[in-house]
Amino acid sequence: AQSVTQLGSHVSVSEGALVLLRCNYSSSVPPYLFWYVQYPNQGLQLLLKYTSAATLVKGINGFEAEFKKSETSFHLTKPSAHMSDAAEYFCAVSDNDYKLSFGAGTTVTVRA
Amino acid sequence: SAVISQKPSRDICQRGTSLTIQCQVDSQVTMMFWYRQQPGQSLTLIATANQGSEATYESGFVIDKFPISRPNLTFSTLTVSNMSPEDSSIYLCSVAGTSKETQYFGPGTRLLVL
Repeated sequence: AQSVTQLGSHVSVSEGALVLLRCNYSSSVPPYLFWYVQYPNQGLQLLLKYTSAATLVKGINGFEAEFKKSETSFHLTKPSAHMSDAAEYFCAVSDNDYKLSFGAGTTVTVRA
Repeated sequence: SAVISQKPSRDICQRGTSLTIQCQVDSQVTMMFWYRQQPGQSLTLIATANQGSEATYESGFVIDKFPISRPNLTFSTLTVSNMSPEDSSIYLCSVAGTSKETQYFGPGTRLLVL
């Protein structure tokens, strides 16, 4: 069975600063990995995904994530935070059964 | 990606009653799922909605409490039965198409049980 650990339930960054959200996974088979974003009172929007192609994955809104098998990590970064990035971010993993297991989520606040 | 809608978007219900949530997709999809997001928490998979057969439930979820229908490849319903305040959550449907590994989510149904 697969699982996800997100380190840090809350991250606060200044506008223009680097955003780094950490995600570690466990899976018995090569995983599919995802980052989703949830804005207040909305559903989940797919930011990016890793599906065994390039290890550095670029997503929407300037986000990217790097799959590191040796570290079982899939950390999400954005070089320069914008006020509109304030939201909750979820890392998720699935394997051959396509069922998603989500991390606990990280709330990002952006300071002006 | 597919356009997914859910009805109702939110509701306030009395304990002991039932609510049926609808999920409609604008194109045929291979897989449909239902998730629950309890207040301040992450998402938990309730079940996989199977077209033309009974849903597949995850551990801790049973058909009597969460009956699911999927009559075709674009529509599914989730019923929350005999509700209690503990059922207050956001219920989200998701779909996966030809890329089975990638799920897209509906806007969610926000349920408050009094």
